[in-house]
Amino acid sequence: AQSVAQPEDQVNVAEGNPLTVKCTYSVSGNPYLFWYVQYPNRGLQFLLKYITGDNLVKGSYGFEAEFNKSQTSFHLKKPSALVSDSALYFCAVRDPNTGGFKTIFGAGTRLFVKA
Amino acid sequence: GAVVSQHPSWVICKSGTSVKIECRSLDFQATTMFWYRQFPKQSLMLMATSNEGSKATYEQGVEKDKFLINHASLTLSTLTVTSAHPEDSSFYICSARDTSGGYQETQYFGPGTRLLVL
Repeated sequence: AQSVAQPEDQVNVAEGNPLTVKCTYSVSGNPYLFWYVQYPNRGLQFLLKYITGDNLVKGSYGFEAEFNKSQTSFHLKKPSALVSDSALYFCAVRDPNTGGFKTIFGAGTRLFVKA
Repeated sequence: GAVVSQHPSWVICKSGTSVKIECRSLDFQATTMFWYRQFPKQSLMLMATSNEGSKATYEQGVEKDKFLINHASLTLSTLTVTSAHPEDSSFYICSARDTSGGYQETQYFGPGTRLLVL
């Protein structure tokens, strides 16, 4: 069965500093991996995805993520954080070979960026 | 990017009544839509997968008679919470698969509907 873990409930970073939000996954085959962001009382906004190809994926708002197959990780990164990046971030995984179209979400990591 | 809308954005109802939530894909066709439920400070819980023209597939533990799903067209899925009770109060989010990019498919999410049952 597929699963995804976000080990940190909360990440605090100062504005202008680099940020990393961690995600590890477990699937039996090759994963489809996603990052979404959620602002208060809103739905999820798509940030980026890894399906195949380059391990470093660039997405919206300056975010990027690196797929590491050996460590089964897909950490979200940004070189310079903004206060407006403060939100709830979800990592998600889908196993197209066994999980059908079902996407499993991590518990979420709340990012606080201090001015 | 693709846009998914939900209506209403929030609803307050009395216990025992039914509430219908609409999910629309505005600029793409979606053969598959998903309904999630999110409790405060928790992740999304997949309730069911809605397939256009066929019955929805419910996740284990989700009552199909209580949460009725209809996917009558390629741009509209509805979730009806029947005989709502206070414990059904939650944030309901739908998403739709945009497969126009072939295997590079992505789920796009609606803004959510907050339901409060009194």
